[in-house]
Amino acid sequence: GIQVEQSPPDLILQEGANSTLRCNFSDSVNNLQWFHQNPWGQLINLFYIPSGTKQNGRLSATTVATERYSLLYISSSQTTDSGVYFCAGANTGNQFYFGTGTSLTVIP
Amino acid sequence: KAGVTQTPRYLIKTRGQQVTLSCSPISGHRSVSWYQQTPGQGLQFLFEYFSETQRNKGNFPGRFSGRQFSNSRSEMNVSTLELGDSALYLCASSSTSYGYTFGSGTRLTVV
Repeated sequence: GIQVEQSPPDLILQEGANSTLRCNFSDSVNNLQWFHQNPWGQLINLFYIPSGTKQNGRLSATTVATERYSLLYISSSQTTDSGVYFCAGANTGNQFYFGTGTSLTVIP
Repeated sequence: KAGVTQTPRYLIKTRGQQVTLSCSPISGHRSVSWYQQTPGQGLQFLFEYFSETQRNKGNFPGRFSGRQFSNSRSEMNVSTLELGDSALYLCASSSTSYGYTFGSGTRLTVV
């Protein structure tokens, strides 16, 4: 299967700070998503981004498929951004491989 | 448009029992996938169903099984529960354009 490496594993930010989360894949993927897991365990889809750049409010993501990595940018972080961020990728079929996540804590 | 609905939200079972979890996908989504999340192993793929057929299966023992009905609703079953089966079980439905949408999960505790 595909190995997915996420960095950093943990991140503590002051409210208002910016951050970049990274995801590296051991093999090429043609499906890639970023998720935020809320305190109740639900995985919220942030971006479906097999390639290119997308933005949604304070969040944006860039995937460079040829180099097998993706970045998630969080600007002007808020305490509600706290939680665990996962990236996941798939190359054939619909079996996604997940990274181990980045645990983000935003302090006021 | 309703999201992915998983029932029940919480479940406590005794070792050796069996359990059935349910997942109703987003209307129009024909693919349903199941994942197990534990602190030690992270998110691991169980299986995927598409149009009532198992299309893909992860590396789990035969105690873990699933099925999908003609209305795309899916169930997964775990027989002869072990303590290590305690986990958050997540179901996702997908379309080709938007990737996975997950349900809220079922938190299973085996005692």
